[in-house]
Amino acid sequence: EAGVTQSPTHLIKTRGQQATLRCSPISGHTSVYWYQQALGLGLQFLLWYDEGEERNRGNFPPRFSGRQFPNYSSELNVNALELEDSALYLCAGTSQGGRIINTEAFFGQGTRLTVV
Amino acid sequence: KQEVTQIPAALSVPEGENLVLNCSFTDSAIYNLQWFRQDPGKGLTSLLLIQSSQREQTSGRLNASLDKSSGRSTLYIAASQPGDSATYLCAVNWAGNTPLVFGKGTRLSVIA
Repeated sequence: EAGVTQSPTHLIKTRGQQATLRCSPISGHTSVYWYQQALGLGLQFLLWYDEGEERNRGNFPPRFSGRQFPNYSSELNVNALELEDSALYLCAGTSQGGRIINTEAFFGQGTRLTVV
Repeated sequence: KQEVTQIPAALSVPEGENLVLNCSFTDSAIYNLQWFRQDPGKGLTSLLLIQSSQREQTSGRLNASLDKSSGRSTLYIAASQPGDSATYLCAVNWAGNTPLVFGKGTRLSVIA
């Protein structure tokens, strides 16, 4: 069974540009979480999507947005990139959607975003 | 505020030693707790998931315990190997529409 896949693996953008990151959870997982891991910092929660809807978002500005598609894959968009957006972006999938809650979260390998 | 704390931040041990990593959390009303491993620059690998009704879980040389009343979990690694060198993260799933909350991790170095 394929694991959680994220693309691209690496992304280099210029300040002010937009970045789009993609995530495909394991088959059967309907929830997708996005986290930011800046160098030397812990994992900071960004966004949570379940069944196509945004369920919760972390303490990030509105230029961080995303969506979830009918096949449960997800996209994270970061507009007006700033240097401090440089980080490893991780996504995770679970079956946790308010109905089945005691499930294991599986993470992808991340997208390394570098803003120059 | 729901927070997760991991102590120590870094640990260096000789190969073969048994070791314990600690995780503490505020608010004992958790659904589950998960331990992860992260190699430098890589994603997270799930090691063990403990449900709120369980007291421990084992996988190979790893054993994780959970004491909800005291807000603590420990990850025990037996007979450590250089390949165990990584950062170990503890994450808690609380009730409601809340995501996994992570500790800052313990960076483990096992010296051959």
